Amino acid sequence: NAGVTQTPKFQVLKTGQSMTLQCAQDMNHEYMSWYRQDPGMGLRLIHYSVGAGITDQGEVPNGYNVSRSTTEDFPLRLLSAAPSQTSVYFCASSQFYRGGGQYFGPGTRLTVT
Amino acid sequence: AQSVTQLDSQVPVFEEAPVELRCNYSSSVSVYLFWYVQYPNQGLQLLLKYLSGSTLVKGINGFEAEFNKSQTSFHLRKPSVHISDTAEYFCAVSGNTGNQFYFGTGTSLTVIP
Repeated sequence: NAGVTQTPKFQVLKTGQSMTLQCAQDMNHEYMSWYRQDPGMGLRLIHYSVGAGITDQGEVPNGYNVSRSTTEDFPLRLLSAAPSQTSVYFCASSQFYRGGGQYFGPGTRLTVT
Repeated sequence: AQSVTQLDSQVPVFEEAPVELRCNYSSSVSVYLFWYVQYPNQGLQLLLKYLSGSTLVKGINGFEAEFNKSQTSFHLRKPSVHISDTAEYFCAVSGNTGNQFYFGTGTSLTVIP
């Protein structure tokens, strides 16, 4: 049981490039989400999904796209990277009831130059 | 909408001393409350959660938290800290009308030998 996995661990992009951050979980969790963590700002929700084929925006969705074609995978796409998207990105999953705590992946550290 | 305030950004404490990390929330609906710990260069790990029932919640690693509805607080405590407790601690809230989690900005706990 690997839990929540994220790839890559580190990435450097140039402004304007696009890329996809991968996230997968093997716990059959319905709920998955993406956060970004910036110094002094805690974690901010980018997008989330309550099941395959269902996604919704969080607090800071601009510049990011998501899709959920399977229960296991929830990739995050950066359409045209900007320096403001330099951050650490975390994927998380939980069972679909609101009392469940979230399981977090190890994070992806992204630098946009 | 919900929000979370962690009143202390940094808390230094000597080894074997007690510690309290403060968390206040605002919400117009019933909430679920969580504390997470983040060790350097890792993802977040659930320490404990309050869903309902007893207002004193016990978690892993000897931590406990008390839910106070009248003061809208959920402070985290440990009677005797160890060097290994040095980490970032996040308080989070989710409302009972959705699956979004809102995180505080974090408290950095440093245990001094």
